[in-house]
Amino acid sequence: KAGVTQTPRYLIKTRGQQVTLSCSPISGHRSVSWYQQTPGQGLQFLFEYFSETQRNKGNFPGRFSGRQFSNSRSEMNVSTLELGDSALYLCASSLIRRGRIYNEQFFGPGTRLTVL
Amino acid sequence: AQKVTQAQTEISVVEKEDVTLDCVYETRDTTYYLFWYKQPPSGELVFLIRRNSFDEQNEISGRYSWNFQKSTSSFNFTITASQVVDSAVYFCALSEAEGNEKLTFGTGTRLTIIP
Repeated sequence: KAGVTQTPRYLIKTRGQQVTLSCSPISGHRSVSWYQQTPGQGLQFLFEYFSETQRNKGNFPGRFSGRQFSNSRSEMNVSTLELGDSALYLCASSLIRRGRIYNEQFFGPGTRLTVL
Repeated sequence: AQKVTQAQTEISVVEKEDVTLDCVYETRDTTYYLFWYKQPPSGELVFLIRRNSFDEQNEISGRYSWNFQKSTSSFNFTITASQVVDSAVYFCALSEAEGNEKLTFGTGTRLTIIP
């Protein structure tokens, strides 16, 4: 079974631009979460989508947004990029079953965004 | 608020030595889940183990073992007979309640195994 895939793997943008990152979860996984990883702040939760609905959101400004499609693929968008948005953006998917106990999240390789 | 503390920023050990990575957590929930992830240089987070708050049974899996103690809010991870391939950054993480996919991560411990 293929793992979580993220595109692109590397991206260079300039301040003020916007960017869209894509994530394809493991087949059958309906929950997709996004995390930002920086040397200063570490790994921080951005948001989680399930069945095309945002279920949970971290403490990030409104410039960070996302969406999920009917096939569970997800995109996140960052508008008006700032230098501090340079980070590794990680996507994770998990299998949600009815009445389930928490399932582990499987992470993709990440998209490394550099803002100049 | 939930918090995960990994006090060890970096650890270096000689190959074949045992090494323990510490993790201390804070949460107000009575039901929660604890995790360890490994991040090799490639960047992808690799799931290692999950523990729920009502199961304090410690676990051994090959060279890996985990010690969960609710009394001290600790979830430590030990690698026995370390190998160079174990070199990575290790993260401890916490999730509160079912249906909440949000993981709160510690700052990570960079483990270097010296050949």
